[in-house]
Amino acid sequence: DIQLTQSPSSLSASVGDRVTLTCRASQTIINYLNWYQQKPGRAPKLLIYTASNLQSGVPSRFSGSGSGTDFTLTISSLQPEDFATYYCQQSFSNPTWTFGQGTKVEIK
Amino acid sequence: EVQLVESGGGLIQPGGSLRLSCAGSEFSVTNTYMSWVRQAPGKGLEWVAVIYSGGETYYADSVKGRFAVSRDNSKNTLYLQMNSLRDEDAAVYYCANLAKNALHLWGQGTMVAVSP
Repeated sequence: DIQLTQSPSSLSASVGDRVTLTCRASQTIINYLNWYQQKPGRAPKLLIYTASNLQSGVPSRFSGSGSGTDFTLTISSLQPEDFATYYCQQSFSNPTWTFGQGTKVEIK
Repeated sequence: EVQLVESGGGLIQPGGSLRLSCAGSEFSVTNTYMSWVRQAPGKGLEWVAVIYSGGETYYADSVKGRFAVSRDNSKNTLYLQMNSLRDEDAAVYYCANLAKNALHLWGQGTMVAVSP
């Protein structure tokens, strides 16, 4: 099974900060990596698919990059509504997918 | 409004059965790939199962042989039949539409609690 490791597990940041989250796969997944945002009590929301494609309606301050085993999600200027937990998910090993353990972004 | 609406969650005893539903509103769940994902209290996301447009189904090892995905085209509804429920199956269950190798549209979730 492909394991995804997200780092850090949590971070504190201020509004306006540039934030970078990392997701590392246990083997190459090419670019089959997606990012989701989840706020408390809400369903996850797709932000980025296949590593770098911005989902429709998602603000352009979100961007994704990477290939192979190492991927990043960057928020260029953190906004109050961005405080949430972020999950990466691989779709390389179809049909069985896995999620990372999540990174919680908190207000400093 | 395009949405997925889950229902059917509740409190069930270990060993019991429950059937979750996921109805599409202004969205067809019948000719597309649909997945179930769950989230135990305070934990991360876990992929549970998928049904392809042709009807093929696949399951996580943790639920294989106990859970079954199906759909009723006439009702535009997806189902997750859960049997032999265990403590560790307690979670919020989400249905989601799979497209372009990602989960694009999610329901609001339905909670399953397993307790004697």
